[in-house]
Amino acid sequence: NAGVTQTPKFRVLKTGQSMTLLCAQDMNHEYMYWYRQDPGMGLRLIHYSVGEGTTAKGEVPDGYNVSRLKKQNFLLGLESAAPSQTSVYFCASTGVVYGYTFGSGTRLTVV
Amino acid sequence: GDSVTQMEGPVTLSEEAFLTINCTYTATGYPSLFWYVQYPGEGLQLLLKATKADDKGSNKGFEATYRKETTSFHLEKGSVQVSDSAVYFCALSDQGFNKFYFGSGTKLNVKP
Repeated sequence: NAGVTQTPKFRVLKTGQSMTLLCAQDMNHEYMYWYRQDPGMGLRLIHYSVGEGTTAKGEVPDGYNVSRLKKQNFLLGLESAAPSQTSVYFCASTGVVYGYTFGSGTRLTVV
Repeated sequence: GDSVTQMEGPVTLSEEAFLTINCTYTATGYPSLFWYVQYPGEGLQLLLKATKADDKGSNKGFEATYRKETTSFHLEKGSVQVSDSAVYFCALSDQGFNKFYFGSGTKLNVKP
């Protein structure tokens, strides 16, 4: 099915470890986004991209890096994981039509 | 800056009760407004949208009207079902559609 695919779905990291979350979309969307969702805080934008080769900071970018080398992929990296980065991460994409398509999320726990 | 405020939950209702979830917004210019729904363990899904003042978005029995004079976009449903139990997010997008701003979410529990 067309849509947004996130991998992995679950991950447990030790403090200081690094990892990369992959988001892939097959809808030829220009815009892609990474959000984190924490209890009582809704969704907060980490980074976003308005096209291949572009990235921009969102509301809470510290501790994360992103890359958009191919239009269909948007990678979120954690160089040195911290317990404060325990969260559920959602990727989304959108084209010229309003509204996001969301992935099903990645649940990350940092111990 | 742009922001969305929605009522805190959880909201607990009996099946067939009337639902209202309040949402107000602050924005410059002319934003588009959205309601998203998140079922347990899943990502957010677009429920309905409205792109200009006085527009009414509707889907699956849910409705919301874009009220510019009160800067509101309240979600309503006349008769809720157990399957409507989920978290509902109000959101707005800026005119460039580069960013969406989400409310904190309202959890709805519907009891049989």
